[in-house]
Amino acid sequence: QQQVKQSPQSLIVQKGGISIINCAYENTAFDYFPWYQQFPGKGPALLIAIRPDVSEKKEGRFTISFNKSAKQFSLHIMDSQPGDSATYFCAASGLRQGAQKLVFGQGTRLTINP
Amino acid sequence: GAGVSQSPSNKVTEKGKDVELRCDPISGHTALYWYRQRLGQGLEFLIYFQGNSAPDKSGLPSDRFSAERTGESVSTLTIQRTQQEDSAVYLCASSLRDRASYEQYFGPGTRLTVT
Repeated sequence: QQQVKQSPQSLIVQKGGISIINCAYENTAFDYFPWYQQFPGKGPALLIAIRPDVSEKKEGRFTISFNKSAKQFSLHIMDSQPGDSATYFCAASGLRQGAQKLVFGQGTRLTINP
Repeated sequence: GAGVSQSPSNKVTEKGKDVELRCDPISGHTALYWYRQRLGQGLEFLIYFQGNSAPDKSGLPSDRFSAERTGESVSTLTIQRTQQEDSAVYLCASSLRDRASYEQYFGPGTRLTVT
């Protein structure tokens, strides 16, 4: 019940295209869903996060779509650029229950071809 | 300001030896977390410190793993009698534990290789 399943494992997108990464969770106590971006040799950095009271959040070229009934959320990267090439992780935690530890998906290695 | 720092950045050790990994959180951050990232995998939660509360040790994989934190500052993760399966990147994160901000800021990690 603590798992977060992420797909695909790897993704190749042409420059200017839309990159879409999906995550699914089981634990209905999760109420905070961040996405992290990680470059080789670096720690993950928060990209964007959503709470379940909204269905979509947009920051620049990055959008999270959230479907509470399906227990799924996804990251959309519009106008993908070569600099977006990185590994992306979705995560979840149950903040309302005081559980701040993040449960991470397995990661998606995104490559944007120029 | 300064981010989360970790040392050493790389550590190679022989099987059976003990290792100590250090994390300096962002000043003022009351919460500190340790995660493990195996090659090509997601991050696994290990332990969480929050102020003077008892730490959440639910993610520690065995009694060979332990961690300490001095007040709201430095933390050390100790792995005793290291095994080859302990080889991974160990990441530390810190956060302000308040309702306005849940963001965890990660350090660059310590890459541990057990030979």
